[in-house]
Amino acid sequence: NAGVTQTPKFQVLKTGQSMTLQCAQDMNHEYMSWYRQDPGMGLRLIHYSVGAGITDQGEVPNGYNVSRSTTEDFPLRLLSAAPSQTSVYFCASSYSRRGGNTIYFGEGSWLTVV
Amino acid sequence: GNSVTQMEGPVTLSEEAFLTINCTYTATGYPSLFWYVQYPGEGLQLLLKATKADDKGSNKGFEATYRKETTSFHLEKGSVQVSDSAVYFCALKREGQGNLIFGKGTKLSVKP
Repeated sequence: NAGVTQTPKFQVLKTGQSMTLQCAQDMNHEYMSWYRQDPGMGLRLIHYSVGAGITDQGEVPNGYNVSRSTTEDFPLRLLSAAPSQTSVYFCASSYSRRGGNTIYFGEGSWLTVV
Repeated sequence: GNSVTQMEGPVTLSEEAFLTINCTYTATGYPSLFWYVQYPGEGLQLLLKATKADDKGSNKGFEATYRKETTSFHLEKGSVQVSDSAVYFCALKREGQGNLIFGKGTKLSVKP
């Protein structure tokens, strides 16, 4: 079972460059989201989607764009990278928003902006 | 607002010691509670969960009980192993919301 697949695992960007972090899930999950993990901050929600064609902002959305054209894919775009976006990024998915539904995470993407 | 507070680390224990990592939460309604574990260089894995008051989640020797009266979900293990060295995250999910609200994480190091 592939689960939640993120690419790339490691990336170094220069300030001002753009890139897309890819996320795909093969579990037919309705709900997908992106988090960033920073030392001493836990994980914070960037953007989320409750289904194809529907996205919304989380706690820290500035500097990031998302789209959800299919159920399976939820890419995260950095339009003009900044050093403050150096972080570990996790994509997550779950079957629905109902209470105890387990949220599954990808293995993470380590991004450094220099 | 909704938030999760967990004990700061790092926590260093000897093998076979008893582990407690405290977690308390603030939330409206009746959230579900989770513990996730992150091993070095890896993503997050669900360790255990509880969806209502007095539920006990358990997995791999770890346990946590959903205590509504104290708004707590403390993680315990009777005898830790070196392989338990990781970062542990407490998190809550409100009913009808698909996202998790995380604590800041507690790093556990177990020495042989």
